[in-house]
Amino acid sequence: GQSLEQPSEVTAVEGAIVQINCTYQTSGFYGLSWYQQHDGGAPTFLSYNALDGLEETGRFSSFLSRSDSYGYLLLQELQMKDSASYFCAVRGGDTGFQKLVFGTGTRLLVSP
Amino acid sequence: SAVISQKPSRDICQRGTSLTIQCQVDSQVTMMFWYRQQPGQSLTLIATANQGSEATYESGFVIDKFPISRPNLTFSTLTVSNMSPEDSSIYLCVGATSGEQYFGPGTRLTVT
Repeated sequence: GQSLEQPSEVTAVEGAIVQINCTYQTSGFYGLSWYQQHDGGAPTFLSYNALDGLEETGRFSSFLSRSDSYGYLLLQELQMKDSASYFCAVRGGDTGFQKLVFGTGTRLLVSP
Repeated sequence: SAVISQKPSRDICQRGTSLTIQCQVDSQVTMMFWYRQQPGQSLTLIATANQGSEATYESGFVIDKFPISRPNLTFSTLTVSNMSPEDSSIYLCVGATSGEQYFGPGTRLTVT
């Protein structure tokens, strides 16, 4: 089977740094994506890692270790608008390159 | 990039009825997918919409319940048949080209 595990909830204050971890177990793997979803909205793409290492995009960074089947999303200089759910997703798994298998999701609550 | 629209954006339906959701992409995409997100849950792939042929369904989803059409490269429909309250979810259309996935805004379905 396939599984992606994330913490269910993370809390932090404005201006802080938070890391959301994702461990995965899939029979195939092309890369790890991260999505943000605000309540009532559709997921929006944040980042994609196909190779080991750190990818930085503004305040957000994403890391992947293929040997450890592990990745994380790092959010810096947190803002209230960052309060949302964050999903990791494996591209491919055992179902094909373009398909996404989503993690359980992490609800991030940012307080003043 | 591709922009995806869905109709309707939301609906409230009675159990036992059916609803057809339309997905339109503004440019050609290689693949189209339908995902479901039940309340408070992660996203689950329902099926791959194949142009001009029967959709490919994931485990746990069947054509009789979720018939899908894709008559051309930019349009697809998903029908939720004989609805029950358990079908209350957000249904998301996704278009994919090599390396990129584009999410529609979702259709929020409530079955009473």
